[in-house]
Amino acid sequence: GENVEQHPSTLSVQEGDSAVIKCTYSDSASNYFPWYKQELGKGPQLIIDIRSNVGEKKDQRIAVTLNKTAKHFSLHITETQPEDSAVYFCAASTEGNNRLAFGKGNQVVVIP
Amino acid sequence: KAGVTQTPRYLIKTRGQQVTLSCSPISGHRSVSWYQQTPGQGLQFLFEYFSETQRNKGNFPGRFSGRQFSNSRSEMNVSTLELGDSALYLCASSYSGGETQYFGPGTRFLVL
Repeated sequence: GENVEQHPSTLSVQEGDSAVIKCTYSDSASNYFPWYKQELGKGPQLIIDIRSNVGEKKDQRIAVTLNKTAKHFSLHITETQPEDSAVYFCAASTEGNNRLAFGKGNQVVVIP
Repeated sequence: KAGVTQTPRYLIKTRGQQVTLSCSPISGHRSVSWYQQTPGQGLQFLFEYFSETQRNKGNFPGRFSGRQFSNSRSEMNVSTLELGDSALYLCASSYSGGETQYFGPGTRFLVL
C-alpha cells in the first residue's frame, strides 16, 4: 500500500518567517494530496489540497507544490503567526478512493 | 452547514467489553470513513462506507466493524476490547469518492 513519509517531525520558526514541510510518497498511482492541520483536542482540518494535474496551488499564506517525478510534495506557510502552531499532516490517495494514507505529522511551533 | 459530529466525545471501557461509536456526516455527504489515531502509529484508515456498503477496508482485525444507515450516519463497533485499542477515533465524510474529506472532532477512547 501507499507509504507517506513526512519531514521534519518538529519545526520551530520565528513569527513572520516561513515554514516548509516536505512529504514523500511511494505509490505512483496516488494523485490526490491534501494537507490537514490538527490543533490540540480537535480533529484534522483541511487547509489545502492538490491534485496531480497541477504542480502548485496557493491560498493566501499557504501554498503546496507537487513533484510527481520525484514523488514528493511540500507545504509552504509564509508570514507565520502564533495561530499557525499545530500539527500538520500530509496525506495521499488515488483517484476516486477515499482511503487516505497519512504521514506521521509535523509539530510546528511559531515563536512570537 | 453543520460539520461532522461524533458521539460520544470521550469514553472509558474495560478490556473484553465492546463499544459502539457514532458519526453523523455533513448533510448531503454519502461517504463516511473511519480512522484510528495513536501517538505511535499516527492516523490509520479503518474502513469506508458509501450507500450503506463497505467500500474499502484497512488492515485492522475483524474485531473492528462498522455499518452505515440509509441517512448516511455511520457506526463503528469494536468487540473484545484490548488495551491497544485506546486511541482517538475519527470519522470523515465526503460526497462520494476521491473528494475532500472533512473530519469530525473524534471520540477519545480509553481501555483500562
